[in-house]
Amino acid sequence: DTEVTQTPKHLVMGMTNKKSLKCEQHMGHRAMYWYKQKAKKPPELMFVYSYEKLSINESVPSRFSPECPNSSLLNLHLHALQPEDSALYLCASSQTSRQGEPQHFGDGTRLSIL
Amino acid sequence: KNQVEQSPQSLIILEGKNCTLQCNYTVSPFSNLRWYKQDTGRGPVSLTIMTFSENTKSNGRYTATLDADTKQSSLHITASQLSDSASYICVVTSWGFKTIFGAGTRLFVKA
Repeated sequence: DTEVTQTPKHLVMGMTNKKSLKCEQHMGHRAMYWYKQKAKKPPELMFVYSYEKLSINESVPSRFSPECPNSSLLNLHLHALQPEDSALYLCASSQTSRQGEPQHFGDGTRLSIL
Repeated sequence: KNQVEQSPQSLIILEGKNCTLQCNYTVSPFSNLRWYKQDTGRGPVSLTIMTFSENTKSNGRYTATLDADTKQSSLHITASQLSDSASYICVVTSWGFKTIFGAGTRLFVKA
């Protein structure tokens, strides 16, 4: 079991649906990340939150909307997604946003857009 | 251009054998290099982290080396086990959150 918990594990949604991915950690980490990973490709960074504030948005389309309600939770709200958005969405956390700290990954949510 | 290249793309070895995976990078400035193991359908798990001044770091049967001059790293797996079958990803961090992932090496360990 990982220390970063992501729900749901699988999600199938239509292009007009609104859904949310959730990520939770109780390690006291203050930096949290969203990554997108396509099959047989490395993860691509989407967003970084540091002390509950959005630090990095890697030019992600607005149909992806992150939210960090508190230091333990990170959400990714999805709306009007496209088929090419089908991927594994990984959440990660680290102690702080300092360089050199290990990131702890969850097992991801596998998202399929119909 | 900041890049991380890994070789080989895939590798098949027999259980009990050793293997070495390679990672070359052109990331600058350099902060640290990490090796992750990713099992199919799971998130990546950190194996080692090395900074500029570290040449080698071990984690059980995994030993990573770093040559910051030539910008090369390797991950050596000793006495491979079936559970070592996974993708191994080299990740180089520059300033702040600038993190470049390699494409990974898919390792298959056969009985």
